[in-house]
Amino acid sequence: KAGVTQTPRYLIKTRGQQVTLSCSPISGHRSVSWYQQTPGQGLQFLFEYFSETQRNKGNFPGRFSGRQFSNSRSEMNVSTLELGDSALYLCASSEGIRLQFSEQFFGPGTRLTVL
Amino acid sequence: KNEVEQSPQNLTAQEGEFITINCSYSVGISALHWLQQHPGGGIVSLFMLSSGKKKHGRLIATINIQEKHSSLHITASHPRDSAVYICAALAASNYQLIWGAGTKLIIKP
Repeated sequence: KAGVTQTPRYLIKTRGQQVTLSCSPISGHRSVSWYQQTPGQGLQFLFEYFSETQRNKGNFPGRFSGRQFSNSRSEMNVSTLELGDSALYLCASSEGIRLQFSEQFFGPGTRLTVL
Repeated sequence: KNEVEQSPQNLTAQEGEFITINCSYSVGISALHWLQQHPGGGIVSLFMLSSGKKKHGRLIATINIQEKHSSLHITASHPRDSAVYICAALAASNYQLIWGAGTKLIIKP
């Protein structure tokens, strides 16, 4: 099976712009989670989708949003970019929603730089 | 105080040494994950455990629920084990993963 893919891998934007990142989970996986990784804050949970529904959301402002399509592919959007949004954005897929039963498989990440 | 604490933050060892990385957590958990992140960002899930001990090759993960502590051990370490090792606790209250800050491991030949 192909692994989790994320596009684009690298992105440079300027403050105030918006950005959309894409994640394609492993075939058959219905759960997609998004994480932000910065040197200072480590990995932080953004949101989790299962069967097109947001099941869990981390403590991020409303500028961060996401969605999941019927084929389980997911997108996250960040509007009105700020310098502090520069980070590695990771997506992970798993078979089920209960993470105590499902191992997560991570994509390579999208490195976003905001200038 | 962070809900998930890892130690040490950095660890440098010689090839062949036995490595131990510790993870302590303060919340009730449903499971604990150990992951490996190589330079460049790729993250690989190593173990998911909720009790006892798991072994995969040279890697061993243990968890003590009563003491709220988990350890990751690497036997016969090799330079290719050099990476950041992260533990993440799955909070029982909301099923969110709470991440440790990671342990940067360097194995010298």
